[in-house]
Amino acid sequence: QSLLTQPPSVSGTPGQRVIISCSGSSSNIGSDSANWYQQLPGKAPKLIIHSNNQRPSGVPDRFSGSKSGTSASLAISGLQSADEADYYCAAWDDRLKGVLFGGGTKLTVL
Amino acid sequence: EVQLVESGGGLVQSGGSLRLSCAASGFSVSSKYMTWVRQAPGKGLEWVSVIYSGGTTYYAASVKGRFTISRDRSMNMLFLQMNSLSAEDTAVYYCARGGNFYESSGYYDLWGQGALVTVSS
Repeated sequence: QSLLTQPPSVSGTPGQRVIISCSGSSSNIGSDSANWYQQLPGKAPKLIIHSNNQRPSGVPDRFSGSKSGTSASLAISGLQSADEADYYCAAWDDRLKGVLFGGGTKLTVL
Repeated sequence: EVQLVESGGGLVQSGGSLRLSCAASGFSVSSKYMTWVRQAPGKGLEWVSVIYSGGTTYYAASVKGRFTISRDRSMNMLFLQMNSLSAEDTAVYYCARGGNFYESSGYYDLWGQGALVTVSS
């Protein structure tokens, strides 16, 4: 059972906007930045959002992140079939002295 | 080219040991915080261990006392020594590079392709 809670799945149609939530606590998201990873089938994870809302070079601006209190969100606008993947949030937990990953959210583009 | 390449995965019997290696190119593993993350078949990502640039290490509770993270500056490599392996350790193991100045972070900007470790009972 992950201490960062994500919905198991979300779906949308091409062009739509979807939001994936990540709920934590004061010892992780509440005190550290949230980071988001995209994992395409059979591939290694790829960083798409760091420090709550920063996009690494090369990540489309269709991807955006936000944080409020002990929760974070990843928004994907203008959905494309290529966005079908698993998405994970991650943050340092100062009580556990380690990184927590959310359980992952499978995005399906209908 | 900046990249990470894992090696050393394979099949091992329960109770056995294995050492994973992660070769870095394009940067120094000693100048960044480096981590190991694993993914059991069909499951999500699980953080395993981190080593800071200054040498401080942390481990997940599930591997503490059995796994040891280390690095070699001259070889520019990261290692994960895994002892007392069990079926629950079967996973793809990824090494990753920290992207932040603040090392207690879940921010990893470069990942290897992964190495599969299978523990047979």
